Amino acid sequence: EAEVAQSPRYKITEKSQAVAFWCDPISGHATLYWYRQILGQGPELLVQFQDESVVDDSQLPKDRFSAERLKGVDSTLKIQPAELGDSAMYLCASSRKGGNMNTEAFFGQGTRLTVV
Amino acid sequence: GDSVTQMEGPVTLSEEAFLTINCTYTATGYPSLFWYVQYPGEGLQLLLKATKADDKGSNKGFEATYRKETTSFHLEKGSVQVSDSAVYFCALSGSARQLTFGSGTQLTVLP
Repeated sequence: EAEVAQSPRYKITEKSQAVAFWCDPISGHATLYWYRQILGQGPELLVQFQDESVVDDSQLPKDRFSAERLKGVDSTLKIQPAELGDSAMYLCASSRKGGNMNTEAFFGQGTRLTVV
Repeated sequence: GDSVTQMEGPVTLSEEAFLTINCTYTATGYPSLFWYVQYPGEGLQLLLKATKADDKGSNKGFEATYRKETTSFHLEKGSVQVSDSAVYFCALSGSARQLTFGSGTQLTVLP
């Protein structure tokens, strides 16, 4: 069964350092999402891509976060510099092209970031 | 904007007990509604969905009915198992095809 792949699974970094997360969506899925899930809360959307284009990054803290999907396949989310409040689970999800609001989004296992 | 409100947890039940987790939403238009489940240390898995008013989503013994008049999508299961212990998230998706999640409800089922 096809899965959304994320790496690393766990990351510990010191504050003010740079950190990056990688996501490989299910093959053929044109829409890719990055969500942040703070412990005890629901996921919140950071950025949405359609192919290589950003559809929505209104909730992305652009002073320190960046996201790219250069070839419209895999994606990287970067934080520089990391702050203590960035400690969270970062989830990647993808959905197929041509879908609508009913279309299921498939989630990866996430990257658990701890900033010390 | 869109929002989802879930009953606060944690919820602790004995095996074979009846489960209800309440979910209400606020949205413009007619969103699709979902329940996702998250097991410890894992990502989210779709449990069930409903795409229009009065639709009933069901999977693995869980059910939820899309109630437009009360803007609700409560999750139910007649007899829970220990393996159902997880965090359950209610979510909606609108025209932007983005999921808006509730805060989650932790369920623990005791043998």
